[in-house]
Amino acid sequence: DAGITQSPRHKVTETGTPVTLRCHQTENHRYMYWYRQDPGHGLRLIHYSYGVKDTDKGEVSDGYSVSRSKTEDFLLTLESATSSQTSVYFCAISEGQRGYYEQYFGPGTRLTVT
Amino acid sequence: KNEVEQSPQNLTAQEGEFITINCSYSVGISALHWLQQHPGGGIVSLFMLSSGKKKHGRLIATINIQEKHSSLHITASHPRDSAVYICAVDNTGNQFYFGTGTSLTVIP
Repeated sequence: DAGITQSPRHKVTETGTPVTLRCHQTENHRYMYWYRQDPGHGLRLIHYSYGVKDTDKGEVSDGYSVSRSKTEDFLLTLESATSSQTSVYFCAISEGQRGYYEQYFGPGTRLTVT
Repeated sequence: KNEVEQSPQNLTAQEGEFITINCSYSVGISALHWLQQHPGGGIVSLFMLSSGKKKHGRLIATINIQEKHSSLHITASHPRDSAVYICAVDNTGNQFYFGTGTSLTVIP
């Protein structure tokens, strides 16, 4: 199994509070991704990173920011959580662009915003 | 409009049956991926293919580029195969699209 961990695994927070989710990898892969998964929707890309300090938006980036100061860590921040951000969040990594390389997924973080 | 459509959405099979899950897509692609999501939530990449056929154990994935269609077959199905199977495609414009998944239950 690819060495990917996510923390926390479960979190309940109140509307308006900031939340940071962490993805940590031990594979030294260049690309890292944050997805959210909701019933009735496929996995949707929030943000991705193609190197240290190099990030770009995905299709559902509003309300989220990311940072990558080290190869192994990719942080997802909800500056002011809303109930619509209740979801399961998955981190993924790949050696290169995901169309040409397999992605490896973390175990997921279940976030509930009340 | 969904760029990736999977069928069926739900599937129940008896142990030992041959199973087929279909994926149709509407965009030009560089690769198609099959993923498995376990009941506990973890996601595993099963196949990445851009042409022809790949086999891994009891799993077989095929793709027909001209028809924009892929199938995932499971031979001699087992209850441990119960999971959600997700098709995803990467199009030549560097967009990536996921299907909503096929939920498979294999009954002993």
